[in-house]
Amino acid sequence: AQTVTQSQPEMSVQEAETVTLSCTYDTSESNYYLFWYKQPPSRQMILVIRQEAYKQQNATENRFSVNFQKAAKSFSLKISDSQLGDTAMYFCAFMKSPFQGAQKLVFGQGTRLTINP
Amino acid sequence: DGGITQSPKYLFRKEGQNVTLSCEQNLNHDAMYWYRQDPGQGLRLIYYSQIVNDFQKGDIAEGYSVSREKKESFPLTVTSAQKNPTAFYLCASSRGSNNYGYTFGSGTRLTVV
Repeated sequence: AQTVTQSQPEMSVQEAETVTLSCTYDTSESNYYLFWYKQPPSRQMILVIRQEAYKQQNATENRFSVNFQKAAKSFSLKISDSQLGDTAMYFCAFMKSPFQGAQKLVFGQGTRLTINP
Repeated sequence: DGGITQSPKYLFRKEGQNVTLSCEQNLNHDAMYWYRQDPGQGLRLIYYSQIVNDFQKGDIAEGYSVSREKKESFPLTVTSAQKNPTAFYLCASSRGSNNYGYTFGSGTRLTVV
């Protein structure tokens, strides 16, 4: 079974700083997908970024980027120029490569990120 | 706009009662999921369904039941057998052969009183 571990329960940085959230995972699969989701105080889950394991290039979405180290099974999220609206719980998630139908997302425990003014 | 609607937003249940949480989607997604969220434990999968009239247990299915009579709807019943039902429940959906993750509803907070 796959497991996802986020070792930082809470983090806090000043506005405009860069912050990196850590995530490691355990799997025997060779092809899979990794995700970072954001859950703000509204509790709505929002997809931040997605990485395909067979792609060596790290995914980026505006101020959000990942450092994907497949051999080390590490998938960290970097937030540049952090903003107050980035304050949220962040979840790392793993999905096996789907062939058809439902595929389960396995989530880490989450990291609560606070951006201070 | 397409999306997932969960209702109600807040739900209170007396001990010993069954209660049903609603989840409806108009995204034409084939697969639907129910997750439970507790503090410090992330999201844990309760049940999932990839087609109508078919569903599978997730990691914590005991004390819960589901049905999938329509593609758009995937209600979750929390039965009296669930010993600790107070939690935040999230419903999600995805396309078949999906590798783009899920679309989530806004959740239901269930409290046992």
